[in-house]
Amino acid sequence: GAVVSQHPSWVICKSGTSVKIECRSLDFQATTMFWYRQFPKQSLMLMATSNEGSKATYEQGVEKDKFLINHASLTLSTLTVTSAHPEDSSFYICSAVGHYGYTFGSGTRLTVV
Amino acid sequence: DQQVKQNSPSLSVQEGRISILNCDYTNSMFDYFLWYKKYPAEGPTFLISISSIKDKNEDGRFTVFLNKSAKHLSLHIVPSQPGDSAVYFCAASAEGSSNTGKLIFGQGTTLQVKP
Repeated sequence: GAVVSQHPSWVICKSGTSVKIECRSLDFQATTMFWYRQFPKQSLMLMATSNEGSKATYEQGVEKDKFLINHASLTLSTLTVTSAHPEDSSFYICSAVGHYGYTFGSGTRLTVV
Repeated sequence: DQQVKQNSPSLSVQEGRISILNCDYTNSMFDYFLWYKKYPAEGPTFLISISSIKDKNEDGRFTVFLNKSAKHLSLHIVPSQPGDSAVYFCAASAEGSSNTGKLIFGQGTTLQVKP
């Protein structure tokens, strides 16, 4: 089956610093990856769609300059939260689309202090 | 604008009984629906899906029913087991069963199955 590795699983950072989250498809190529965030007891909200070799498409209300997405290869997409603030604390999840459909990473818990 | 809604935040059932989780949607362009199970601090795990050309799909203990006219789908788990206790999300896509379009998720329903 398809496996998506997301790293790190949790991170604590100081306000004002940047954090990079990686999403790798281990045994398949993913031309499309999606990035979601989830606040406690709320739905998974789509942030952006990442296509290999092109710019990401951001959902309305998501700041593209704050949440930088790079999809440089068919197996790796990264989300960088720039100048993080406490309100960016959330659970971030990636999803890679391949032959088996959608496969989700295990998520990253970001806490900004 | 919540296009996919799960109006019951929680559900509690006895082991062995049926669990019925409901989901409503507003966008008539949605034509592919999925159910996911999620534990805290983990990514969602796919359970079952259904295309809009069907009204029922079954996989073991899990059955999904789709009522397009009512824009409603439900997930039936029978018999329910304590290991089924988790948060269940329904999701919808407007990209067809090509399984490549973005997913819109409901708010989730926390299922507790009591031994």
